[in-house]
Amino acid sequence: KNEVEQSPQNLTAQEGEFITINCSYSVGISALHWLQQHPGGGIVSLFMLSSGKKKHGRLIATINIQEKHSSLHITASHPRDSAVYICAVRLNPDKLIFGTGTRLQVFP
Amino acid sequence: DADVTQTPRNRITKTGKRIMLECSQTKGHDRMYWYRQDPGLGLRLIYYSFDVKDINKGEISDGYSVSRQAQAKFSLSLESAIPNQTALYFCATSDHRDRYTFGSGTRLTVV
Repeated sequence: KNEVEQSPQNLTAQEGEFITINCSYSVGISALHWLQQHPGGGIVSLFMLSSGKKKHGRLIATINIQEKHSSLHITASHPRDSAVYICAVRLNPDKLIFGTGTRLQVFP
Repeated sequence: DADVTQTPRNRITKTGKRIMLECSQTKGHDRMYWYRQDPGLGLRLIYYSFDVKDINKGEISDGYSVSRQAQAKFSLSLESAIPNQTALYFCATSDHRDRYTFGSGTRLTVV
């Protein structure tokens, strides 16, 4: 069993829909990262969370440490949000374990 | 200019050849990493360095070596490339607050 599981693996949506991507992990962590990988391959860091909730524009990330679960929400989705979204958890001392990603396609 | 620059962006090489992938950064971060990404798998750590002269193996270091020539430069070498090293390679940096910056990736094909 992977230490980091993301769901769904693939997601399609119509423009304007509310999107939720889930990440569950099985180990104790010090932080969780959400990353975005565009079709060209480049990876951008979206959020780093250790508790609670963070918001940036139309993106919201939440984490429940007790349940070992995090969600990434996209409000009013747009075709430019189409990308692979990757969850990564940080173990002590200094190691990131990555999920396999959720591929999102938003159609106009 | 990008904060983390990887060269080359794409490379095709033959089995048995030595190849070097280069990474340079303008973030001023001490911590640098090399990851590889394969289809259907999460990124996996090859090597990491927390300072010049500090080199640490990651989970898949066999067949690879690295050099941290300066705070801003971290190179990955494949001494004798083999086809199963065909992958997308990422260099990344992080600061003391665990904020990561990734390069654009190097797509390596070993034929």
